[in-house]
This record gives sequence, C-alpha cells and structure tokens, in this order.
Amino acid sequence: EVQVMESGGGLVQPGGSLRLSCAASGFTFSNYAMSWVRQVPGKGLEWVSGINNSDGGTDYADSVKGRFIISRDNSKNMLYMQMDSLRVEDTAIYYCRGYFNGVDVWGQGTTVTVSS
Amino acid sequence: DIVMTQSPLSLPVTPGEPASISCNSSQSLLHGHGYNYLDWYLQKPGQSPQLLIYLGSNRASGVPDRFSGSGSGTDFTLKISTVEAEDVGVYYCMQALQSPCTFGQGTMLEIK
Repeated sequence: EVQVMESGGGLVQPGGSLRLSCAASGFTFSNYAMSWVRQVPGKGLEWVSGINNSDGGTDYADSVKGRFIISRDNSKNMLYMQMDSLRVEDTAIYYCRGYFNGVDVWGQGTTVTVSS
Repeated sequence: DIVMTQSPLSLPVTPGEPASISCNSSQSLLHGHGYNYLDWYLQKPGQSPQLLIYLGSNRASGVPDRFSGSGSGTDFTLKISTVEAEDVGVYYCMQALQSPCTFGQGTMLEIK
C-alpha cells in the first residue's frame, strides 16, 4: 500500500523548534517530489516547502524561509522538516505529500501547536 | 506568487444534479510543452486532500469518471456530471507551474 506517515508534531513555545518526519512506504520514494503542506483547522491549504527527486533542490514559502529546512534521506525513505524560530502563526496540521507522474500521496497530518 | 481564485465558495447541490467549480489563475498555467499545471483536490470531512485531476484534465487513478477537468491558460473548470452524497467536502485547485505552489480558497460542496 502506498502511504506516508508524519510524526514529530506537538506543543512548543514561540521561538522553539520541532523536527517533523515523514515515513514513506509502498512506492519508490526516490522517484517522488516531496513537500510539506499545512492547514489551520477549518481553513485552506498552504504549501510550505518542497524538495525535488532529481537533485534534491529545495524551495520554501516566504513565510518560513530562513526558519524551516526540508531534507530527505532516500536510503531510509524519509522526509524531514526542521522547524526553528517557531511562531504562533505556524500552528497548523502539517501534511507530508509525495507526487510523481499523476500519483499523489498524502499522510494524515501531524499537528503543530505554537503557544506560550 | 500566482493567485488562484475559485468560485463559488459554497455550492449546495441536489444528488443526481451536475455541479461546476471555476478556478482562475493570475498568470497562465500553460507550460511550453503544452500542459496546464493545474490540479484539483477534494478534501472530504476529517480527511487529507486527495488528487482528483492533474495537469488540468487528467483523472487520477481511481477517480470516478463523473469528475472531469477542463480549461487552459488562466481559466479552469471542474465538473461533476451527477453529484453523489460521497462527493461532499472542500474542493481546491492548485497551480504547480511556479514555486510556491498555490491553492485556491476552496469550494465547499454540500448536499441539499
């Protein structure tokens, strides 16, 4: 079964850090472009960051640039996102998403809450 | 960033009737090789988004043929030929031509 599963969310104070992980299974992970998409409950979807499958090139939304770092380990079928200098407005459900040739896989999400 | 605008934002539909959602982009999504980098997603209540249509008009695997996507450039449409109860949720268009990927505001389809 093609699936991804996020972990690492939780409650953190403003200015704190978290590392999200995404474990992939059931597909050739190295073929897939991977990304993180977040959603404030009851609101719309916001693309956060992406990493391609070819040269590992990365990109970020302006709202997280300089604070978040996306990475992948193809040998372990893992996607990561290091989140530093967290802000209240980063509070959301974070989804891991993989895409390749019309095949799209999303996890169930992990919740990040930034609050004092 | 490319701005995606959907309409309507709320869509009450009687089962068995057709439904249509529009998506407009602030820049053309037509790539030089002829594909429109526009996807459609459905997020059912309590679930993650699921891909319905990719590259403007291609149904994703397992998606019923009552769903169809059309359009080119800056104007796109998702059509459901006959709405079923299981189609309720929020529909999003997303452009993947230019980073950052951007989503429309979402259209909530509800059953009358």
